[in-house]
Amino acid sequence: NAGVTQTPKFRILKIGQSMTLQCTQDMNHNYMYWYRQDPGMGLKLIYYSVGAGITDKGEVPNGYNVSRSTTEDFPLRLELAAPSQTSVYFCASSYEGYQPQHFGDGTRLSIL
Amino acid sequence: GENVEQHPSTLSVQEGDSAVIKCTYSDSASNYFPWYKQELGKGPQLIIDIRSNVGEKKDQRIAVTLNKTAKLFSLHITETQPEDSAVYFCAHPKGGTASKLTFGTGTRLQVTL
Repeated sequence: NAGVTQTPKFRILKIGQSMTLQCTQDMNHNYMYWYRQDPGMGLKLIYYSVGAGITDKGEVPNGYNVSRSTTEDFPLRLELAAPSQTSVYFCASSYEGYQPQHFGDGTRLSIL
Repeated sequence: GENVEQHPSTLSVQEGDSAVIKCTYSDSASNYFPWYKQELGKGPQLIIDIRSNVGEKKDQRIAVTLNKTAKLFSLHITETQPEDSAVYFCAHPKGGTASKLTFGTGTRLQVTL
């Protein structure tokens, strides 16, 4: 099993560009999450989903959008990239809320 | 509020010594306390967790203790090894919602030979 797979691993964007960060899991987990991690800081929750068709905002949702059309996939969309969105983005999944979250290896995004 | 404070931010120990990392929280509704380890260039990985109905949990060289009165939970690593060098994060559910974890700011542990 691959676990949680994130693509791309690295990306440089120009201000105002858009992109989608891909996340897929093969563990049949119901819950999926997107976090951002700024240098020297902990992870902050952007959006999460408790099942296909259900998404909710986390702590820092502004500037991002998500969708969950299948159990496996949970893409994160940046519509108008801003320098403040330069960060490392992690996707995670868990079977349910009080179960361990399994993380991907992250996408390092720079916006110049 | 639902903040979590983690200390220390950096910790250097000699191989074989013990390491302790502490986190305090403010939300009395918190009932789940996981600890994650993050190695360089990787995503965090759960190493141990504890529920609020338990005061201590051990897994080989790793233990977590919970003091609900003090709103304090701690990670204990005994007989440290070089491969324990990493960044460790505590977390707890925001507002008691299991799917909304609030993470501490991390402790960089360095185990020296």
